[in-house]
Amino acid sequence: SQQGEEDPQALSIQEGENATMNCSYKTSINNLQWYRQNSGRGLVHLILIRSNEREKHSGRLRVTLDTSKKSSSLLITASRAADTASYFCATGYSGGGADGLTFGKGTHLIIQP
Amino acid sequence: DGGITQSPKYLFRKEGQNVTLSCEQNLNHDAMYWYRQDPGQGLRLIYYSQIVNDFQKGDIAEGYSVSREKKESFPLTVTSAQKNPTAFYLCASSMGQGGLFQPQHFGDGTRLSIL
Repeated sequence: SQQGEEDPQALSIQEGENATMNCSYKTSINNLQWYRQNSGRGLVHLILIRSNEREKHSGRLRVTLDTSKKSSSLLITASRAADTASYFCATGYSGGGADGLTFGKGTHLIIQP
Repeated sequence: DGGITQSPKYLFRKEGQNVTLSCEQNLNHDAMYWYRQDPGQGLRLIYYSQIVNDFQKGDIAEGYSVSREKKESFPLTVTSAQKNPTAFYLCASSMGQGGLFQPQHFGDGTRLSIL
């Protein structure tokens, strides 16, 4: 069953603006990961945040995690046309039947030049 | 360059036919995974393997089969029992036994269509 759910489903902004995507999940997690997928390609791992972390940075990416609200956000600063892609959150949890990640449906981000 | 290679990129299947999707990795990863992605949807786990000669069913294993005879290879067979096989199939791998804490590396997928 899918646990992570991204919001919004689609987002269109101007180049140079910041883009924020949110992810909500239902059960306790060990970690939360964000991935990017360009059209027709595989997913690329962006960042992993553990359940005991609140914020993490990687280049123009900033991820926050609020375990009390069971939510995470991904901020992309100073967006570029090359950031156009779908972004997925994935939760890793113990106690589940399958030893894999559970992915949301993604946010489709379009950066207008 | 290390990575995951999926082949073919596009595959067409006739009704009642089994087809096998290839996945090879040279990352020396222990764990490998198969996901299915439908349009506008997230990924759903089909099968995963943490070690050679062992694999487990994921959320949607019915109509699929896998083998893990070599560390580098994790082929997926879509059988005729899978009634709605048209989808984008993604193979992934991760270090260690399991992906709970490790990022997963993905291939570029195989798009399967029914003729």
